[in-house]
Amino acid sequence: AQSVAQPEDQVNVAEGNPLTVKCTYSVSGNPYLFWYVQYPNRGLQFLLKYITGDNLVKGSYGFEAEFNKSQTSFHLKKPSALVSDSALYFCAVRETDSWGKLQFGAGTQVVVTP
Amino acid sequence: SQTIHQWPATLVQPVGSPLSLECTVEGTSNPNLYWYRQAAGRGLQLLFYSVGIGQISSEVPQNLSASRPQDRQFILSSKKLLLSDSGFYLCAWRPPLGSSSEQYFGPGTRLTVT
Repeated sequence: AQSVAQPEDQVNVAEGNPLTVKCTYSVSGNPYLFWYVQYPNRGLQFLLKYITGDNLVKGSYGFEAEFNKSQTSFHLKKPSALVSDSALYFCAVRETDSWGKLQFGAGTQVVVTP
Repeated sequence: SQTIHQWPATLVQPVGSPLSLECTVEGTSNPNLYWYRQAAGRGLQLLFYSVGIGQISSEVPQNLSASRPQDRQFILSSKKLLLSDSGFYLCAWRPPLGSSSEQYFGPGTRLTVT
C-alpha cells in the first residue's frame, strides 16, 4: 500500500529565509507525488506534482520540490519565504488503482514570522 | 475553465438530524469525484469516490452515504448525525482520463454537530 509521511508537525522560518517542508513516501512502482497548500477554512490548492522526468519540479507561488528516488523523498522548498506562505501543507501520493485516489500525509503547519 | 462549488459553506446541526451536502462541478464532463473529511486535527480522510453517475465507492464504514444523481453533482448525506460527524468536508474532482492528473478541491463545508 502507498503511504506518505510528513515528519514535522510545524516548521518555523523567518521571512526571507529558505523554507523546506519534508515528505517521504512508500509506493510499489513509480510514484505520482503531489503537494497541496491549505489556508484556514479553505479548500486545498494544488502546488505541484512529480510524475516523471526532471527531479526538480517547479510549481505555483515560487515553490519547487525535489524528487529523490534513493531517499524516497519529495521535499517542498522555497528559496525565500513570505509571511503569506504561512499555511498547512500536504504531501500526497496517488494510489496505483485507476481511480486517482490520493493518500495524504498528516500535514505540516508552516509559520513564517516577519 | 472548470470550477467546483460546495454548499452550504457552514452548517450547525443537532445530533440525530439529517444531513445533505452538495458538490457541483462546472466546465468538465464525467469527472471523478471525491468526498473527504478533515477532522479537528488536520488529516484528510477519503470517504467516498465516484467514477460515474450512480457509481459510488465507500472507503470507510460510517454513518454517511453518498450519491451521484447527475454527472457533475455529488451529494453527501446522513439520516442521523452523530457528534463525531463534525468536521470540514471537502469535495474534489479530477479528469476521468490521464492518470497523472491532480485533484482539484472545492472550498469546503464546515459542519458542527451539537
